[in-house]
Amino acid sequence: GQQVMQIPQYQHVQEGEDFTTYCNSSTTLSNIQWYKQRPGGHPVFLIQLVKSGEVKKQKRLTFQFGEAKKNSSLHITATQTTDVGTYFCAGVRGTGGFKTIFGAGTRLFVKA
Amino acid sequence: KAGVTQTPRYLIKTRGQQVTLSCSPISGHRSVSWYQQTPGQGLQFLFEYFSETQRNKGNFPGRFSGRQFSNSRSEMNVSTLELGDSALYLCASSEGQSGQPQHFGDGTRLSIL
Repeated sequence: GQQVMQIPQYQHVQEGEDFTTYCNSSTTLSNIQWYKQRPGGHPVFLIQLVKSGEVKKQKRLTFQFGEAKKNSSLHITATQTTDVGTYFCAGVRGTGGFKTIFGAGTRLFVKA
Repeated sequence: KAGVTQTPRYLIKTRGQQVTLSCSPISGHRSVSWYQQTPGQGLQFLFEYFSETQRNKGNFPGRFSGRQFSNSRSEMNVSTLELGDSALYLCASSEGQSGQPQHFGDGTRLSIL
């Protein structure tokens, strides 16, 4: 079945370093969403990308959607300790009825 | 606007029992999805309900079931509990059409002894 692969599974960074997580889908997506889950919390919606090649920024976070709408990335510039948590991508397949498939998530550890 | 409310927050059961979890979506949201989250397993999709009808279903055994009421509130039931059912069960609501951004509740942490 359709899968959304997310890498890396874990990432340890020093505060101030950059961080990137990648998502790849086996099929073309209608859109892709990103969520953040703090330790002990629940996933919180960050952003949705819809257009091919779309790039959106939220302060130090940059989100990209690939030209083929099969891959996406989240890049954090100059990480802070408040960035710790697990980042999930969620690919939405549009054919045959919309269906959301979450990636396994990337857990980010930031050392002060 | 109140967020997604899940009850209870914590639950301890023994093998063989059954359990019912409840979810109240954000006011005006008509779609409710349920997920199972275990350490290292990410978010495993259980099912999605819209207007009291199951719209999508994940790959879980028939012991896992759900329903949605006319006020969009949803319940999920797990029968004949197994140790492996210990997990955080998350409910998420969205406005309507599948594929829209989801708003998660705090979850119900279920422990099976």
